[in-house]
Amino acid sequence: QVQLQESGPGLVKPSETLSLTCSVSGGPVSSSNFYWAWIRQPPGKGLEWIGSLYFSGRTFYNPSLRSRLTLSIDTYKNQFSLTFFSVTAADTATYFCARLWWVRGYFDSWGQGTLVSVSS
Amino acid sequence: QSALTQPPSASGSPGQSVTISCTGISSGYNYVSWYQQHPGKAPKLLIYEVTKRPSGVPDRFSGSTSGNTASLTISGLQGDDEADYHCSSYEDKNNNVAFGGGTKLTVL
Repeated sequence: QVQLQESGPGLVKPSETLSLTCSVSGGPVSSSNFYWAWIRQPPGKGLEWIGSLYFSGRTFYNPSLRSRLTLSIDTYKNQFSLTFFSVTAADTATYFCARLWWVRGYFDSWGQGTLVSVSS
Repeated sequence: QSALTQPPSASGSPGQSVTISCTGISSGYNYVSWYQQHPGKAPKLLIYEVTKRPSGVPDRFSGSTSGNTASLTISGLQGDDEADYHCSSYEDKNNNVAFGGGTKLTVL
């Protein structure tokens, strides 16, 4: 059974860059059936899709976040990453990584989530 | 695609049934999924492709659509069903995903 684990800083200063990594075990990120995704949840609010990427490097971003985002994947380390530029307090959230079934469009495996606070 | 609309809260007594709606789905859309999230935990897949249940999810949970609204019905409510429920739709042309705002279910 595939498992995902987020890692990264719990605190980032405003205007700085947030970087998170999701390590995948129990299955390869190079599987043709899946995209790999980032989703976030501000405290007390709903889920927001950030973006998804395929092992080939093909990426899809939430249009409202696209200008500040980069997603990347490392098939050798079996992990994928999120880089979020110029963060503000509004980016404070729990960030989840998840596996997305391509075409069928659902997230069947999730990481436990990591809380990132943006504060000076 | 546009965000989806869910009622912020729902409630029911043990043994009863409750239905949670999710409006804003494209009519005839097949890529609707539902997730259950307990406090402090990651979401868990409950329903995918409108009506299908992953292995291990009880048949008390069922999904449907009508027009531009998807629905999750939980029958025989149990205490552990008290959680947040999120709907999601997926647009395969550009791999975009939309979530509803989530519904907090209280078991009275």
